[in-house]
Amino acid sequence: EAQVTQNPRYLITVTGKKLTVTCSQNMNHEYMSWYRQDPGLGLRQIYYSMNVEVTDKGDVPEGYKVSRKEKRNFPLILESPSPNQTSLYFCASSPGGSLPDTQYFGPGTRLTVL
Amino acid sequence: AQSVTQLGSHVSVSEGALVLLRCNYSSSVPPYLFWYVQYPNQGLQLLLKYTSAATLVKGINGFEAEFKKSETSFHLTKPSAHMSDAAEYFCAVSVGGSNYKLTFGKGTLLTVNP
Repeated sequence: EAQVTQNPRYLITVTGKKLTVTCSQNMNHEYMSWYRQDPGLGLRQIYYSMNVEVTDKGDVPEGYKVSRKEKRNFPLILESPSPNQTSLYFCASSPGGSLPDTQYFGPGTRLTVL
Repeated sequence: AQSVTQLGSHVSVSEGALVLLRCNYSSSVPPYLFWYVQYPNQGLQLLLKYTSAATLVKGINGFEAEFKKSETSFHLTKPSAHMSDAAEYFCAVSVGGSNYKLTFGKGTLLTVNP
């Protein structure tokens, strides 16, 4: 089944404790992206990647890191989480090419930082 | 720069009534426009997309949207609401080119009353 998977689905942590949220897709998509969703703010893009070893900042990159060493994986790293990073996070992937295309979303990761 | 405004954070309709969700965009170049739907506790899935072909776009579940360049709008409609349409709907814009930066609106929560 074609899908985007995220782990963990739920995470409660404390301020300053480094964490990684994994994202993997099995559709051989070139493009991958991370979003955070907050009530009343919609989805805001954190980072995106056009292909392996190619990443760029979205609208709200502060406090986050990403890497794209393999085509299928795009982990999101919070090196020193803070309470304002409590949010619902979505990973998405898209086929790639010269035109924007449908993005396929993972199920989400609900993160709480105490 | 690109942006999206969704008018009305909450829309309530009766079952069988017309659904109209409003989206206006701002873009300095011809845009690519998308509507995504998010059911409770799920990720987002594509309803429909406009990519410069026909201005009237048909999507899944009986939804359609019309691209109106003169009004910079891409409103989502459905002739007859079903209870199963209750969800949050997001309009998104991309200008393509060298990257896939996707900007989402803040969302409209649709409630369908019996």
